Amino acid sequence: NAGVTQTPKFQVLKTGQSMTLQCAQDMNHNSMYWYRQDPGMGLRLIYYSASEGTTDKGEVPNGYNVSRLNKREFSLRLESAAPSQTSVYFCASSDPRGQGLYSNQPQHFGDGTRLSIL
Amino acid sequence: AQKVTQAQTEISVVEKEDVTLDCVYETRDTTYYLFWYKQPPSGELVFLIRRNSFDEQNEISGRYSWNFQKSTSSFNFTITASQVVDSAVYFCALISYNTDKLIFGTGTRLQVFP
Repeated sequence: NAGVTQTPKFQVLKTGQSMTLQCAQDMNHNSMYWYRQDPGMGLRLIYYSASEGTTDKGEVPNGYNVSRLNKREFSLRLESAAPSQTSVYFCASSDPRGQGLYSNQPQHFGDGTRLSIL
Repeated sequence: AQKVTQAQTEISVVEKEDVTLDCVYETRDTTYYLFWYKQPPSGELVFLIRRNSFDEQNEISGRYSWNFQKSTSSFNFTITASQVVDSAVYFCALISYNTDKLIFGTGTRLQVFP
């Protein structure tokens, strides 16, 4: 079971460069998410997509764009990378409501992308 | 506003000690879900448990147990007879039924020494 797959696993960029982080899930989940994890701050939501064709801002969207290409794929783009965007990025997917009031399935996470911006 | 507070930044114990990780949450919603995730040194996030707001029954899974108390808005996690393999960062998280946003606490780093 692949689950949630993120590419690349590591990347070093120079300030001002652009980059797209890729994420794909094979669990037929409707919702997908991008988080960043910084020391002492837990995981913060950047953007999410409740269904194919929709995206919404999370807690820290500035400097990022996303594309929900299809049900499986949700990409995160840094148009002009800044040192403040050095972080570990996690993609996740879930079916929040599933079937019934009490379902709310947990989010499944990829292994993360460690991004350094010099 | 929704918020999850994990006041313990780091805990160190010696193997075989019991340890409790605290989680306090804030939400105005009546239907919500609470989660615990483990992040071992390898970096991946591992789902441990989900609890919905209508079920206050405590849960035990092997050496792990969870104490959910709505009266104090807490969802604490206890590891009995800790082992070195339990060393990780543990995150508590909250999601309301009507949203798709999972709110994480800042995590508690647990170090278990042999």
